[in-house]
Amino acid sequence: NAGVTQTPKFRVLKTGQSMTLLCAQDMNHEYMYWYRQDPGMGLRLIHYSVGEGTTAKGEVPDGYNVSRLKKQNFLLGLESAAPSQTSVYFCASKERDYGYTFGSGTRLTVV
Amino acid sequence: AQSVTQLGSHVSVSEGALVLLRCNYSSSVPPYLFWYVQYPNQGLQLLLKYTSAATLVKGINGFEAEFKKSETSFHLTKPSAHMSDAAEYFCAVILDTGRRALTFGSGTRLQVQP
Repeated sequence: NAGVTQTPKFRVLKTGQSMTLLCAQDMNHEYMYWYRQDPGMGLRLIHYSVGEGTTAKGEVPDGYNVSRLKKQNFLLGLESAAPSQTSVYFCASKERDYGYTFGSGTRLTVV
Repeated sequence: AQSVTQLGSHVSVSEGALVLLRCNYSSSVPPYLFWYVQYPNQGLQLLLKYTSAATLVKGINGFEAEFKKSETSFHLTKPSAHMSDAAEYFCAVILDTGRRALTFGSGTRLQVQP
């Protein structure tokens, strides 16, 4: 099925551990985005990519890194997790006519 | 500066009553505007979007929104609420046509009372 797939769906990390969240889309979209969702704050843009091999910072990039080595994959990394990174993470990709497809999210808890 | 403001973090209506969720934006360029719905523990689903065509936009599940440039508003309405409409609703705008990323409001949780 066409869409955006995020893995894993849930994860618990200890402070200081690292992990990578994977976002995969099979729609040949150029633009991809990583957001985090926190209560009362809506979704905030972490990083984005306008095409294979390109990445850029969003509003809240500190503590995160990203890579877009293949067009269909957009990886979000946490090098040293902190409790402040406890959140729900959403990946999205954009169609030509400003249609955005969101993944189902990754719920991350840092203890 | 807040780019998208949703007035009311919680709204409660009775089943069958009018739903009105408010969204105001600030933008120096003609905006693209969106409403998304999120049911508990799920992702975001597009309700409707405005991309400079008709100012009254009809979406799914009986929702509609009207773009009012003079008021910088894009309020979401539904004539008659159903229990199934209980969810969180997000207004979003594209401010930067370069990166074309959505900027979201803080969300409004809609409660529908029987």
